[in-house]
Amino acid sequence: NAGVTQTPKFRILKIGQSMTLQCTQDMNHNYMYWYRQDPGMGLKLIYYSVGAGITDKGEVPNGYNVSRSTTEDFPLRLELAAPSQTSVYFCASRLGPGAQVNQPQHFGDGTRLSIL
Amino acid sequence: KQEVTQIPAALSVPEGENLVLNCSFTDSAIYNLQWFRQDPGKGLTSLLLIQSSQREQTSGRLNASLDKSSGRSTLYIAASQPGDSATYLCAVRQGGSGSARQLTFGSGTQLTVLP
Repeated sequence: NAGVTQTPKFRILKIGQSMTLQCTQDMNHNYMYWYRQDPGMGLKLIYYSVGAGITDKGEVPNGYNVSRSTTEDFPLRLELAAPSQTSVYFCASRLGPGAQVNQPQHFGDGTRLSIL
Repeated sequence: KQEVTQIPAALSVPEGENLVLNCSFTDSAIYNLQWFRQDPGKGLTSLLLIQSSQREQTSGRLNASLDKSSGRSTLYIAASQPGDSATYLCAVRQGGSGSARQLTFGSGTQLTVLP
């Protein structure tokens, strides 16, 4: 059981470039999340999805876009990379909703992104 | 807006010592509180999840407590080992619906257990 898989693990971008961070989960989880973690800080929510075709903004959505065409995949898109987007990005999922609200979140190993 | 604070930011202890990590939150209307472990260069591993109706959860040498009314949680680690060295984060899931389904994280406590 692979859990939550993120690719790539590392990436360096130039200012203004675009890229997509991939996230896939094989646990048939309804809810998926994208977080960023800056050095010495906790995680901040960028976007989340409660099911295929449904996405919503989190705390820090500016500069990012997401889509959820399938239950398994939740890619995060950076359109015009900026130095402020240098961070570690984590994808997570959990079963949800309703009675499953107390299920823990499962995290991928992260994508380390540097914008130069 | 929910705010989660973890003190101290870093902690070093000798092997074998019992220790307590602290987490406080400003809004007590939570569904649950979760403790995670993060190893360098890795993602987060869920250690314990305490539902809002519970007072504590135990797993092996770990015990997490929750006092919702005072907005506090503690993670107790018994007989610490060098392998326990990691960053420990707590996160609360807010009550309600919509954007409240998100977790709000503390900034973590970096624990070093010295052999």
